[in-house]
Amino acid sequence: QQQVKQSPQSLIVQKGGISIINCAYENTAFDYFPWYQQFPGKGPALLIAIRPDVSEKKEGRFTISFNKSAKQFSLHIMDSQPGDSATYFCAASDNNNDMRFGAGTRLTVKP
Amino acid sequence: DVKVTQSSRYLVKRTGEKVFLECVQDMDHENMFWYRQDPGLGLRLIYFSYDVKMKEKGDIPEGYSVSREKKERFSLILESASTNQTSMYLCASSRGTGWVGYTFGSGTRLTVV
Repeated sequence: QQQVKQSPQSLIVQKGGISIINCAYENTAFDYFPWYQQFPGKGPALLIAIRPDVSEKKEGRFTISFNKSAKQFSLHIMDSQPGDSATYFCAASDNNNDMRFGAGTRLTVKP
Repeated sequence: DVKVTQSSRYLVKRTGEKVFLECVQDMDHENMFWYRQDPGLGLRLIYFSYDVKMKEKGDIPEGYSVSREKKERFSLILESASTNQTSMYLCASSRGTGWVGYTFGSGTRLTVV
């Protein structure tokens, strides 16, 4: 069973719009929540990560929002660009070991 | 530039063959992982290793084994390849402590015919 549930499976956004991808988890031992970005033909690359002691983390156009009580976290991409078109994976782990991944979201940003 | 290198980009093997997928990292990382990636299922953990000669089963270890004889190298072995093992295989590594995420290789696309 999937320990991290991710939605939507696919997302189409216009250039300049906001892309939002959501994830939920059950295991309260998870204490590290990264997002990975994967382009075709490449392995996933770490994009941004958060720990549960904060509710939000922002890096440039990318923001993670974290709701510990609801066991949910989301990725927001502001001013989405065609170059952001990729597959995005949320993940969760405890102590950075045996990380569990969501099913992935294929984002397409239309020019 | 730090790297995780997977020996083959594409592989085609026959049913019943023994298959070796090799992964090497140059970051002196303690932890190494093997995942398979399938559409709609994301990345599923097959095996991982925290140290040389140590291995732990992940979520889907059936039909696979691993070997870690040196710190920098982690091999995934398909003892008798089957068509349902056709997939993208991703190797990753990380430091032993802290929360810094994984570094992934570019993947090996394995087709079993």
